[in-house]
Amino acid sequence: QVQLQESGPGLVKPSGTLSLTCSVSGVSIRTHSWSWIRQPPGKGLEWIGSISYSGTTYNPSLTTRITISLDTSKNQFSLNLNSLTAADTALYYCARSTLTGVDYWGQGTRVTVSS
Amino acid sequence: ENVLTQAPGTLSLSPGERATLSCRASQRVDRNYLAWYQHKPGQAPRLLISRTSNRATGIPDRFSASGSGIDFSLTINRLEPEDSAMYYCHQFGGSPQTFGQGTKVEIK
Repeated sequence: QVQLQESGPGLVKPSGTLSLTCSVSGVSIRTHSWSWIRQPPGKGLEWIGSISYSGTTYNPSLTTRITISLDTSKNQFSLNLNSLTAADTALYYCARSTLTGVDYWGQGTRVTVSS
Repeated sequence: ENVLTQAPGTLSLSPGERATLSCRASQRVDRNYLAWYQHKPGQAPRLLISRTSNRATGIPDRFSASGSGIDFSLTINRLEPEDSAMYYCHQFGGSPQTFGQGTKVEIK
């Protein structure tokens, strides 16, 4: 059974860097594509970016601030988001992306940007 | 960016009724890479429909969807109380991937 679990700080300072990790079990991250998606409070879902063995794609609105990477030794993938502002406050999900859509999601981790 | 506009914003219906949700794209969705998700508070979104009209594993046949090009729809027949949720459409045929703003389905 495929399971994803996000981990990372719940509170980060403005102008700082957010680092989140997604631990995947039940499938190798060498297969499929893996994504980060967020939901600001009271708003809808926003795709941040995706990574697979063949490369990464980022949302152009965030591309200058984000890095997504794979750690195959730990079966994890990570998100780094820098130059944080209050607008980055959101519920962050990691997920598996396929040619049919996003079929597995983590439970989400809440991140607040505040001093 | 392919903007997805969902309508209506909120649907308030009684058990047993039918809900019809719309998703209109600002550009053609490539290869029908359009999915629908159900999202309940405190839970992760759940994939309902893949590639425009294919029910995901374990999704009851009360849920159906159709569409092509820029117009897509999700229909929920015989509404049940547990169908109360936000519903999002999602296009992943172009970059950036985008989601609609959601339709809230309330069961009276």
